[in-house]
Formats: sequence, structure tokens, C-alpha cells
Amino acid sequence: KAGVTQTPRYLIKTRGQQVTLSCSPISGHRSVSWYQQTPGQGLQFLFEYFSETQRNKGNFPGRFSGRQFSNSRSEMNVSTLELGDSALYLCASRQGATEAFFGQGTRLTVV
Amino acid sequence: AQSVTQLGSHVSVSEGALVLLRCNYSSSVPPYLFWYVQYPNQGLQLLLKYTSAATLVKGINGFEAEFKKSETSFHLTKPSAHMSDAAEYFCGHDMRFGAGTRLTVKP
Repeated sequence: KAGVTQTPRYLIKTRGQQVTLSCSPISGHRSVSWYQQTPGQGLQFLFEYFSETQRNKGNFPGRFSGRQFSNSRSEMNVSTLELGDSALYLCASRQGATEAFFGQGTRLTVV
Repeated sequence: AQSVTQLGSHVSVSEGALVLLRCNYSSSVPPYLFWYVQYPNQGLQLLLKYTSAATLVKGINGFEAEFKKSETSFHLTKPSAHMSDAAEYFCGHDMRFGAGTRLTVKP
């Protein structure tokens, strides 16, 4: 069974640009969550999608948005990038209330 | 809102010593609790999970955690640290995680 796949693995963007990250969950998993990880800030919850609907949302500005498709794949978009958005973005999928399975992450660098 | 708190952002132990990483949760409902480990430049890997079947949960790599409802705690322990245990550890509750604890193991 394939794991959670995130693309791309590395990304460099310029301030003011926008970026889209992709996450393909484990087959059969309908819940996908996104996290931002930065040194000193730990793992911060962005949002969770389930069956194409946003079910939970963390405390991030509206520049951070996401969506989920009918095949459970999810995308996360960040508009008007700031230097502080540089981070490792992790995606996790799960089935029901069980443990989450994480992807390798996308390392975003904003210059 | 449900949350988890990890006490200590950095823990340093000597090889062979006891590892104790602390996690407290806040919730009024029986929780699902998890411990994950993250090695450099990798995603998170499940160490163990509590799903109310038993209060003492055994995980991979010799780790275990005890659920204590009266203390709302789910601390992670390992009797004898190994150099390969050096990593960052996250306690999770539902889809929320603590800030993480970086474990350093000294030779």
C-alpha cells in the first residue's frame, strides 16, 4: 500500500508569489490534514479536510487555503508569500479516528 | 478546544539512561492519544497509540507510554536510551500535536 505522497519535496519562491502544494493520501483515507513545521514553533495545525469539506481549521491567516478533491487528494495554497512562510509543510491522512500517516513533507523556502 | 502540552522542548540523556518525555492533554472526552517520532528531514512516524484498550501502551523501538486519566497525562518512556533514539518527539491528540521535544542522547 503506497504511503502519503507530497509534491514537490522542495520549493523556492519569491516574496509576494503564491504556491500550491499537493498531497495524495493513502488509498481509502478520506481525511487529510495539513501542518506547518518551523524551528521553535513545532507542528502547527493548518486545516483538515474530509470528503471535500473543511472540517477543522487552525489559526492561520486567510492567505492559507486548501481544498480536497473527490479522490481525496488535497492541495494547499499560500498566496502573497512572506519570508515567515518558509517551513516544512506536512500532510497527513487517516481513516476514521485512528492514527495519522504522514508524508515526507514539502520544504518551502521564501526568498 | 482539545490540546496537548509537551513539557520540555529539549531533553538530554546519556546513553543507557531512562528516557522520559512528558505530555499532558486537555479533553473532557476519552481521547485517542499518540506519540510520533521525527528524524531529520523526514515526516512523522507513529511510535504508539492509546485507544482506551489498556492504560500502558507499548510501541516500537522499546518505547511505552502510560495513560493516566487522573493526571491527564500520557508520558513516553524508554528504560535505556540508545544513540539512535535522538530525534524529535510529538505527542498528539486527535489531529493536534504538542510543540515537540527534541531528545539528545550523549555517549
